[in-house]
Amino acid sequence: SQQGEEDPQALSIQEGENATMNCSYKTSINNLQWYRQNSGRGLVHLILIRSNEREKHSGRLRVTLDTSKKSSSLLITASRAADTASYFCATDRGSYGKLTFGQGTILTVHP
Amino acid sequence: ETGVTQTPRHLVMGMTNKKSLKCEQHLGHNAMYWYKQSAKKPLELMFVYSLEERVENNSVPSRFSPECPNSSHLFLHLHTLQPEDSALYLCASSQGGRGMPGPPYGEQYFGPGTRLTVT
Repeated sequence: SQQGEEDPQALSIQEGENATMNCSYKTSINNLQWYRQNSGRGLVHLILIRSNEREKHSGRLRVTLDTSKKSSSLLITASRAADTASYFCATDRGSYGKLTFGQGTILTVHP
Repeated sequence: ETGVTQTPRHLVMGMTNKKSLKCEQHLGHNAMYWYKQSAKKPLELMFVYSLEERVENNSVPSRFSPECPNSSHLFLHLHTLQPEDSALYLCASSQGGRGMPGPPYGEQYFGPGTRLTVT
């Protein structure tokens, strides 16, 4: 079954606005992670939230996790053009830190 | 060099060629991963190594052959590939588990990837 399904698939906003991306998954997890990927490059880790945590902040990023609904959200506040990228959630639900990624959300921030 | 490096960054090969992708991590991590990223598809986990031992082979065709000679280096040997194998191949590393399967494992650090084109 597909884990880590993000929505929306694409999001277009103006600089200064907030961007919210959602992720749903199907089975229990050890943790959930969010990554960013600039066009055709490697992924950059943003935040890891453990299954016993509900909310985490890092700079302009806020991640929530609702294990009862098997969902997570990533909020980017006061977006910048440099935030333009693809954002992926990934679930660690097995052994050896193996991650299952979703399709991602393509975020475009217009200056 | 810092982080995770991958070479080459771009590779074009024919279906009868043999080539290798190299990954090196400078983070002292004990687990390394190969992923495949194709257009319109989520990242697919291919192989997992923990303390240089392969612990996952995710139903990957035998034309892909991984090798982990030590905890800092990971190779992906390629032979008789198909055009549908064209993709971005990403290497990642993480720390955790002390070689055991159980959590916690930390976040993964990715290399820049090798863009592979099979002609």
